[in-house]
Amino acid sequence: EIVLTQSPGTLSLSPGERATLSCRASQSVSSTFLAWYQQKPGQAPRLLIYGASSRATGIPDRFSGSGSGTDFTLTISRLEPEDFAVYYCQQYGSSLYTFGQGTKLEIK
Amino acid sequence: EMQVVESGGGVVQPGGSLRLSCAASGFTFDEYAIHWVRQAPGKGLEWVSIISGDGGTTYYADSVKGRFTISRDNRKNSLYLQMNSLRTEDTALYYCAKDLAGFGAFDIWGQGTMVTVSS
Repeated sequence: EIVLTQSPGTLSLSPGERATLSCRASQSVSSTFLAWYQQKPGQAPRLLIYGASSRATGIPDRFSGSGSGTDFTLTISRLEPEDFAVYYCQQYGSSLYTFGQGTKLEIK
Repeated sequence: EMQVVESGGGVVQPGGSLRLSCAASGFTFDEYAIHWVRQAPGKGLEWVSIISGDGGTTYYADSVKGRFTISRDNRKNSLYLQMNSLRTEDTALYYCAKDLAGFGAFDIWGQGTMVTVSS
């Protein structure tokens, strides 16, 4: 099973700043099968990025994804108040799906 | 609008059984695989199971294999999760999620149904 490790666990930033979230895999992941989600308290997760770098429908272009192999990054170019939430990376491989433990993005 | 709505959660004793349902609308149901994903209180997301569009292929997380059974009725646009031999560690909010074909991601999520396993 591929283990995804996200860092940092908590990221404290101010609105307008740039956020960089990391997701590291225990073995190589196909970029096609790497996704990112946002979850706000009391809400279901929302797909942000699929295929490592493609934005899902309706996702603002301040969200971008990059990376390959074992290292992937979610970048939020300029934080808006509504972006403070928990973010999860997720991968698919060998008929199994795994999530990272999450990064909490909080207001500084 | 594509939508999935879960139901069937509740409180059950350890060793008991429960059947969850998920009703889909706004997309051609039998063209897509569907997943169950769960989230224990205050914890992260855990994938549980997937079923193919025609219902012929299923996969499970090791943590539920042999205890949970996923199924679907394409005539009713519905997905199910039969949960047997429930354990306290199965306590979680259970989400139904549509598969984003070709990318192994989950693009449509319901609001979840809560399962509490407690004596």
